[in-house]
Amino acid sequence: EAGVAQSPRYKIIEKRQSVAFWCNPISGHATLYWYQQILGQGPKLLIQFQNNGVVDDSQLPKDRFSAERLKGVDSTLKIQPAKLEDSAVYLCASSLLAVGTYEQYFGPGTRLTVT
Amino acid sequence: QQPVQSPQAVILREGEDAVINCSSSKALYSVHWYRQKHGEAPVFLMILLKGGEQKGHEKISASFNEKKQQSSLYLTASQLSYSGTYFCGTGYNFNKFYFGSGTKLNVKP
Repeated sequence: EAGVAQSPRYKIIEKRQSVAFWCNPISGHATLYWYQQILGQGPKLLIQFQNNGVVDDSQLPKDRFSAERLKGVDSTLKIQPAKLEDSAVYLCASSLLAVGTYEQYFGPGTRLTVT
Repeated sequence: QQPVQSPQAVILREGEDAVINCSSSKALYSVHWYRQKHGEAPVFLMILLKGGEQKGHEKISASFNEKKQQSSLYLTASQLSYSGTYFCGTGYNFNKFYFGSGTKLNVKP
């Protein structure tokens, strides 16, 4: 069974530029998550999708971050414009159904450096 | 609503035991435990859903107290491969989920 795929693996941009990350979850997983993990901290949930609907985006900085999950499969997370404090690893995860009950499978992450 | 993990760091010799705690100020819907090695993604260890539940196998197990506000992860007879950062993740309902700040475990030969 293929795992969660993410791209790119690394990205370096200057502040005020835009960037987009892509995630393909495990086949059949209805729930998809985007996390931000700053060095030395635990992952912080940015947004959770159930199929193609948003379940929770309470910690997503909506003035600069956006995410979509078209057709309930792949997802894209965008940052526009980026700030220095956005430097982090962005992890995508998926689970069979809702987060409370089922384990999450994580992708390898995208390491973003904003200079 | 982020859970509190303790200790922040542990150094062990191979064969020694460790306990990592995760606590919340209010009752939890679920507790997840993950291990993350340096430069890698978190890997699922186990999930607990019921108060009083204990789960796991001989070497790595976890418990969830009756009030569903605290969970502990038990690592017995530690091996070098156990090194990494351990995170608990807590669900307050099936939509809200928060990871703790992590416990860094270093097992030395």
